[in-house]
Amino acid sequence: QQPVQSPQAVILREGEDAVINCSSSKALYSVHWYRQKHGEAPVFLMILLKGGEQKGHEKISASFNEKKQQSSLYLTASQLSYSGTYFCGTESPNTGNQFYFGTGTSLTVIP
Amino acid sequence: DARVTQTPRHKVTEMGQEVTMRCQPILGHNTVFWYRQTMMQGLELLAYFRNRAPLDDSGMPKDRFSAEMPDATLATLKIQPSEPRDSAVYFCASGLGVSGNTIYFGEGSWLTVV
Repeated sequence: QQPVQSPQAVILREGEDAVINCSSSKALYSVHWYRQKHGEAPVFLMILLKGGEQKGHEKISASFNEKKQQSSLYLTASQLSYSGTYFCGTESPNTGNQFYFGTGTSLTVIP
Repeated sequence: DARVTQTPRHKVTEMGQEVTMRCQPILGHNTVFWYRQTMMQGLELLAYFRNRAPLDDSGMPKDRFSAEMPDATLATLKIQPSEPRDSAVYFCASGLGVSGNTIYFGEGSWLTVV
C-alpha cells in the first residue's frame, strides 16, 4: 500500500528545477506532500484533493492525476532551503484519513 | 501553538529491555498514528487509532510491539523485549479523522537498542 516515489535522490544547483513523482497502486482520495529536514519531523507542505488539481506554495507546486493515481511535486528556481527529504502521503477513499507514505526523495541543493 | 508531543526524545537501551514511548496528540484530534522511520524503509505505518480504538496495526510486529490509547490525550507504543533491529525514529502523528485533512507529526522518539 506504500506509494512509490521517484527519483530516490536528486542534486540540484541553486536556481534549477526539479520534479518528484508519487505513484500509487490504489485509488486515491488525496495526496499530501511533506518535507523533512535531517533530524526533524516531516512538515506539511500541501494537500491535493481533486483529480487534476494543482496547488502552489511559494515556488513549490504540485499536481494530482486521479485517474493515473499519481501526483507530482514541482520545485522551481530551487533555493538552498529546499534541501531535505520529500515524502508523499496517500489516502484512499473510505479509509477514514488513513495515510501511507512513500519511501522519500532526497533533494540536495548546492550553491 | 498546538503540537503533538512525544516522549522520550532520545532513548538508548540494552537489548531485551522494555521500551515505552508516549504521545500526546493535538487537542481535538481523534486519529493517532505511529510510524517508524528507518533509512531503508522510510515511514512505515505501525498502528492507527480512531477515537482511541485501534483500526489498523497490521504493520506492527505483534510478538513484541503493542500500542494503546488509555485516554484521548495519551497514546503509547511499547516494545518488549527490544532488539537492535528496533533502532529507529518513532513518530506519532494526529489528525481530525476526516478524509482530506492532513496529519501533524510530533518531533519523534529516537531509539537505539544496543
